Amino acid sequence: DAGVTQSPTHLIKTRGQQVTLRCSPISGHKSVSWYQQVLGQGPQFIFQYYEKEERGRGNFPDRFSARQFPNYSSELNVNALLLGDSALYLCASSLILSIPNEQFFGPGTRLTVL
Amino acid sequence: QQQVKQSPQSLIVQKGGISIINCAYENTAFDYFPWYQQFPGKGPALLIAIRPDVSEKKEGRFTISFNKSAKQFSLHIMDSQPGDSATYFCAASTSESYGQNFVFGPGTRLSVLP
Repeated sequence: DAGVTQSPTHLIKTRGQQVTLRCSPISGHKSVSWYQQVLGQGPQFIFQYYEKEERGRGNFPDRFSARQFPNYSSELNVNALLLGDSALYLCASSLILSIPNEQFFGPGTRLTVL
Repeated sequence: QQQVKQSPQSLIVQKGGISIINCAYENTAFDYFPWYQQFPGKGPALLIAIRPDVSEKKEGRFTISFNKSAKQFSLHIMDSQPGDSATYFCAASTSESYGQNFVFGPGTRLSVLP
């Protein structure tokens, strides 16, 4: 079975631009979470979506937004990019919204903001 | 209070040795503690996880030790192999979260020498 897939793999943008990252969860998984991983640090939670509804939001500015589609895939949008947004953006999917919640991560999208 | 502290930052172990990584937390509401392994260019992969109702969990060469009173937990890798060379992250989550935002430690870069 295919794991979590993310696109694109790499992306280079300039300050002030907007970016959209995409994630397809494991088949049957209804929950998708987004994390930002700055080089040398652990992932930081941005959003969680379950059944197309936002279920959690981390401490990120309103420039960050996301949505989940009826097929449970998800998009993360970042507006007005800053240099500090350069990071690996990880998507994780899980089967259900409960603990213990085994999250499966995708390979990430490497975003570089110049 | 949402932080998870992790040490050491980096670790070098000889093949066959024991690798030990320690984590500490403050939020007593945390009730799920997973460990993730991340190779360069890949997303984190779940290694092993523990709930606070047990003090130890073992899966193959990987063991989690959990000390609820001290609010600490650790990962032990027995018979460390060069293939174990990766970055390891501890994390914590609470079932009381509206969204299942995992709080990750900053990571430990493990190098196992042949």
